[in-house]
Amino acid sequence: EVQLVESGGDLVQPGGSLRLSCAASGFIFSSHAMSWLRQAPGKGLEWVSAISDSGGSTFYADSVKGRFTVSRDNSKNTLYLHMNSLRAEDTAVYYCASAPAYWGQGALVTVSS
Amino acid sequence: DIVMTQTPLSLSLTPGQPASISCKSSQSLLFSDGRTYLDWYLQKAGQPPQLLIYEGSNRFSGVPDRFSGSGSGTGFTLKISRVEAEDVGVYYCMQRIQPPWTFGQGTKVEIK
Repeated sequence: EVQLVESGGDLVQPGGSLRLSCAASGFIFSSHAMSWLRQAPGKGLEWVSAISDSGGSTFYADSVKGRFTVSRDNSKNTLYLHMNSLRAEDTAVYYCASAPAYWGQGALVTVSS
Repeated sequence: DIVMTQTPLSLSLTPGQPASISCKSSQSLLFSDGRTYLDWYLQKAGQPPQLLIYEGSNRFSGVPDRFSGSGSGTGFTLKISRVEAEDVGVYYCMQRIQPPWTFGQGTKVEIK
């Protein structure tokens, strides 16, 4: 059974940093591109970032480019999202996904003073 | 960026009624590999989105056959042949032919 479990969500002050992790199991992690998506409270879905299976290629939404960094450790079957210079508008539930089929349950990031 | 326009934004249905949701993209979603990168999701309250249809018309494993997807190029439709109470939630279309992947605004389905 495919499982994606996010962790690291927290309350952080504007300008702060946070790292999300996503532990993957039930599939060959190193063979799959992975993505991060988010959903602000009461809003729709937004794609944030993606990374190729090897980690050699990364992609970002304009809204996070230069502030967020996606990475992966295929030896640990883990995906990461490093978030810097956080803003109130980054407040959301963050999902990791092996698109299109498999999504985690999400991690809540709240940016507030 | 590819803009996804989803209609209607809400549906109120009685059990057993059919439902149809439209999704239009600002660019063709047909890739050079012959696949069409348009997916449909249902998000139930408090849950992550669950995949219903991938690549335009392929029903995902375990999805009831009352759900079907059709369309090509820039116009797509999700149909529910007979709505059931468990189908309540918000339906989204998503394109992943190129980053940034983009979503429709969502269609909220309620059951009377």
